[in-house]
Amino acid sequence: DARVTQTPRDKVTEMGQEVTMRCQPILGHNTVFWYRQTMMQGLELLAYFRNRAPLDDSGMPKDRFSAEMPDATLATLKIQPSEPRDSAVYFCASGGVFGTSGRGEQFFGPGTRLTVL
Amino acid sequence: QKEVEQDPGPLSVPEGAIVSLNCTYSNSAFQYFMWYRQYSRKGPELLMYTYSSGNKEDGRFTAQVDKSSKYISLFIRDSQPSDSATYLCAMSPISNFGNEKLTFGTGTRLTIIP
Repeated sequence: DARVTQTPRDKVTEMGQEVTMRCQPILGHNTVFWYRQTMMQGLELLAYFRNRAPLDDSGMPKDRFSAEMPDATLATLKIQPSEPRDSAVYFCASGGVFGTSGRGEQFFGPGTRLTVL
Repeated sequence: QKEVEQDPGPLSVPEGAIVSLNCTYSNSAFQYFMWYRQYSRKGPELLMYTYSSGNKEDGRFTAQVDKSSKYISLFIRDSQPSDSATYLCAMSPISNFGNEKLTFGTGTRLTIIP
């Protein structure tokens, strides 16, 4: 049963600390997305990659956030230094175009719930 | 103003009732309209999608798009307690939406009361 995995599931940290979230996309998917979900803003796209190359990171605060794909099986999202306003659930999703429909689907991981004190 | 607006609820209805969930949008370039279901402490899962205007039915679920009004709906017939979840609408201007960014509504939290 192919699925997106994310670690850690929960993270509590203090303001100013570095946070690293990891994602393993579904094998064969060529696009990886990072989203952030809060009650107020809903689900917001932070960045996404295709074939490991960054395509769009305009949703990400550049001064403290960074996203990378060191290889096809791992995507990382780092926050340094973390702030209380970064508290949210961070989702990774992977997807691609499948079959002849040209549409495909984005499959979401279970998320990392981040609390910054 | 957000490109996609969705009433966050919460919405509580008795089991067996018909549920109506809605989103409005401002970007006329959106052509593909999706509904995701998200259970507590889980990631969103695609429920169904429609292209342009019209209806699409899948079991107890019907998605409806009115592009002239920039308004989409999801209807759930014979609602069950297992339908209790947050429902998010999402939209894309292009067909390969598995591979491109989506614009999401904030989600509506739905509870079906047994």
